[in-house]
Amino acid sequence: EPEVTQTPSHQVTQMGQEVILRCVPISNHLYFYWYRQILGQKVEFLVSFYNNEISEKSEIFDDQFSVERPDGSNFTLKIRSTKLEDSAMYFCAIGTGGYNEQFFGPGTRLTVL
Amino acid sequence: RKEVEQDPGPFNVPEGATVAFNCTYSNSASQSFFWYRQDCRKEPKLLMSVYSSGNEDGRFTAQLNRASQYISLLIRDSKLSDSATYLCVVTTSGGSYIPTFGRGTSLIVHP
Repeated sequence: EPEVTQTPSHQVTQMGQEVILRCVPISNHLYFYWYRQILGQKVEFLVSFYNNEISEKSEIFDDQFSVERPDGSNFTLKIRSTKLEDSAMYFCAIGTGGYNEQFFGPGTRLTVL
Repeated sequence: RKEVEQDPGPFNVPEGATVAFNCTYSNSASQSFFWYRQDCRKEPKLLMSVYSSGNEDGRFTAQLNRASQYISLLIRDSKLSDSATYLCVVTTSGGSYIPTFGRGTSLIVHP
């Protein structure tokens, strides 16, 4: 099973601040995903990233959000001006292609005060 | 509206019981189907993929019914460690894979 790490495990920030969440797959993959899960709610797709480009994004993924793969290994999600409602768990996942099994990182808990 | 629906439960069963979950999906163009399990405040972990021919892995059996647009998960001989939330995931392809998660079904296995 592919391994994915995420940092930080918990991020506390003030409303209006920018945060960068990081995902590091242990091995090379082409398909990357970001999801969020608000406490007590379902996992929601944010964006998929294939071959260093955004391939799909949901209506949640508005101009406040951006993704990058700055150095060919790390995969980041930036939230430009955080709102209270951005408080959630953010999961990175890697996809295998084909049938598209996905393997999730442990998540970053974002708390916006 | 494209949705994935699950009974939230909880399903409360004794050890050794057999339990079954269903999940319905509304998008007939859906292509890939999965069951994940999620422990409290942890990441979803892939339990099994659900193929047209079904899939069996030890005590777990998954079935797909495209005509009725549902997938099922059967757990035999439940263990305490099976206690978790089981997430149904359906993926459509519109150039890329877009997964939709159900809200999950909570299973509690008691001694």
